[in-house]
Amino acid sequence: GAVVSQHPSRVICKSGTSVKIECRSLDFQATTMFWYRQFPKKSLMLMATSNEGSKATYEQGVEKDKFLINHASLTLSTLTVTSAHPEDSSFYICSAKRTGVETQYFGPGTRLLVL
Amino acid sequence: AQSVTQLDSHVSVSEGTPVLLRCNYSSSYSPSLFWYVQHPNKGLQLLLKYTSAATLVKGINGFEAEFKKSETSFHLTKPSAHMSDAAEYFCVVSQNTNAGKSTFGDGTTLTVKP
Repeated sequence: GAVVSQHPSRVICKSGTSVKIECRSLDFQATTMFWYRQFPKKSLMLMATSNEGSKATYEQGVEKDKFLINHASLTLSTLTVTSAHPEDSSFYICSAKRTGVETQYFGPGTRLLVL
Repeated sequence: AQSVTQLDSHVSVSEGTPVLLRCNYSSSYSPSLFWYVQHPNKGLQLLLKYTSAATLVKGINGFEAEFKKSETSFHLTKPSAHMSDAAEYFCVVSQNTNAGKSTFGDGTTLTVKP
């Protein structure tokens, strides 16, 4: 159990366009989801914490108007990169937690390339 | 506040020899500690976790870790490395709350030589 999926796994887009990434918990209800960004050969950087039905909490330095997060249900959170630029190219990973459980279950990641 | 230090950015071992990946942590709370593995271009897979139960934790693929509060350490070990163990390993500390944030170490790249 505790499977998290992400879609798409890989996306290439033109500069200035918006890209939506979905994160789904397939077999459990995720009260909290996290969005991370990972640069090549680097650790994961937490971007924001998303709780179902409420606004996301963004980490310092992360532009909330650029990285729109929606957690509309207990099994789905979305990250929209608006007006993407080449510097937004990265590996984006989501994770999900159940209420009362400390373990985060990670999605397989989405590789974004902005041309 | 919490932080994680992975003491080695790269570890290289020969196949069949022991693996030791070191992790020290600091936390204002009673923490949960995790080790995750990431293969190239893949997501993170949980190896094992410590959540205030037994201090010696056994995980998947023969890995284990020991929580030592006095040393604030949570080192990952395996008696005999396989080629398939070559990957990036992350030590993670998390607050014991429902929305507890996790802090990741910088990662250790494990290379296994034939």
